[in-house]
Amino acid sequence: QQQVKQSPQSLIVQKGGISIINCAYENTAFDYFPWYQQFPGKGPALLIAIRPDVSEKKEGRFTISFNKSAKQFSLHIMDSQPGDSATYFCAASKRTGANNLFFGTGTRLTVIP
Amino acid sequence: DTGVSQDPRHKITKRGQNVTFRCDPISEHNRLYWYRQTLGQGPEFLTYFQNEAQLEKSRLLSDRFSAERPKGSFSTLEIQRTEQGDSAMYLCASSPNGRQPQHFGDGTRLSIL
Repeated sequence: QQQVKQSPQSLIVQKGGISIINCAYENTAFDYFPWYQQFPGKGPALLIAIRPDVSEKKEGRFTISFNKSAKQFSLHIMDSQPGDSATYFCAASKRTGANNLFFGTGTRLTVIP
Repeated sequence: DTGVSQDPRHKITKRGQNVTFRCDPISEHNRLYWYRQTLGQGPEFLTYFQNEAQLEKSRLLSDRFSAERPKGSFSTLEIQRTEQGDSAMYLCASSPNGRQPQHFGDGTRLSIL
């Protein structure tokens, strides 16, 4: 059972455009929501993360929007660049226990020059 | 480079052989995690260590898998009697403690012939 659902599976955006990736969860024990970027042959690299006490977090061109009541969160990449072409994963972890990450299935982003 | 280091990067072996992977976490990170990633999917949690203690294993970790972190620094993951279904990328991550971001290595890609 997929604990974090991610969409779309793939996304093609023009250079300079906005890329939007969405995730949803059901488990209210989740309290930490990171986004990871992964290039082929590499491990996931942490991009940005949010906790549910805020509704939005921005770091450079990357913004997380968080809707606690809807149990949804999204990643917005502003001014998308060809170098942003990668697979993006949302994830979630619980406050207690292992704090292991539950990942979505990934979104392959392609930014066209 | 002070990131998470994994060795080897690639391992090709015949079905039925034993394999061992090594992970060197970021220095002074108490938490060490192992994840498995199959093609087109997000990483899935296998097990984690708090210092030298292995505190949780997922149901994905069959009895053919064993992990150690003998001195609370590097960790090894061994798979005995490998099967075709073990083909995957094995990722290691570390964090200072349970509530801090996890940083991943570039993984070991295992291929079973």
